[in-house]
Amino acid sequence: DGGITQSPKYLFRKEGQNVTLSCEQNLNHDAMYWYRQDPGQGLRLIYYSQIVNDFQKGDIAEGYSVSREKKESFPLTVTSAQKNPTAFYLCASSILQAENTGELFFGEGSRLTVL
Amino acid sequence: AQKITQTQPGMFVQEKEAVTLDCTYDTSDQSYGLFWYKQPSSGEMIFLIYQGSYDEQNATEGRYSLNFQKARKSANLVISASQLGDSAMYFCAMRGLSFGNEKLTFGTGTRLTIIP
Repeated sequence: DGGITQSPKYLFRKEGQNVTLSCEQNLNHDAMYWYRQDPGQGLRLIYYSQIVNDFQKGDIAEGYSVSREKKESFPLTVTSAQKNPTAFYLCASSILQAENTGELFFGEGSRLTVL
Repeated sequence: AQKITQTQPGMFVQEKEAVTLDCTYDTSDQSYGLFWYKQPSSGEMIFLIYQGSYDEQNATEGRYSLNFQKARKSANLVISASQLGDSAMYFCAMRGLSFGNEKLTFGTGTRLTIIP
């Protein structure tokens, strides 16, 4: 079945450690996104990519890094520079075309807890 | 810049009643799309309904309808005949429709609880 796969679902990390969250899609979508969700809050955009080997910062990119070496993959690294990394992370994808009205398709999320 | 405002942090509704979730927005884009997503306690985001700024008729999808009032910049979600399974967080979102402007801006959400 087509969809977006995020892993791991749950992740614990010690302060000062980098951690990478995986996001893979087989929908042949050009655009991919990473959002962060804190308890009781909406989603905030971290990074997005519209084409392989290119990506743009979202609203809260500090302390995060991404890569887009393949169309189907968009991993997110939470670095030690991120001061408050404990959150729920959601990856999404969408088609990319003029006057696109399609929705974003989301993965099931990764919950990161810093101990 | 785009902004979505959802002023109802939580709502309690009796089963089988209709419910309206409020959403107002602000944007400088001439063409834009409005979305509603449902997030159950499991965390996944489920797309519910879409309304384009140029659509003259309100969108409907089964029990969901979107009450779009462009002049008032509001895009309220109406759920008819609510069910226990409707209990979840609901997010309103928007984006511009120009090429390369696909990223969604989300509101803070409304937690809906359906009472048996």
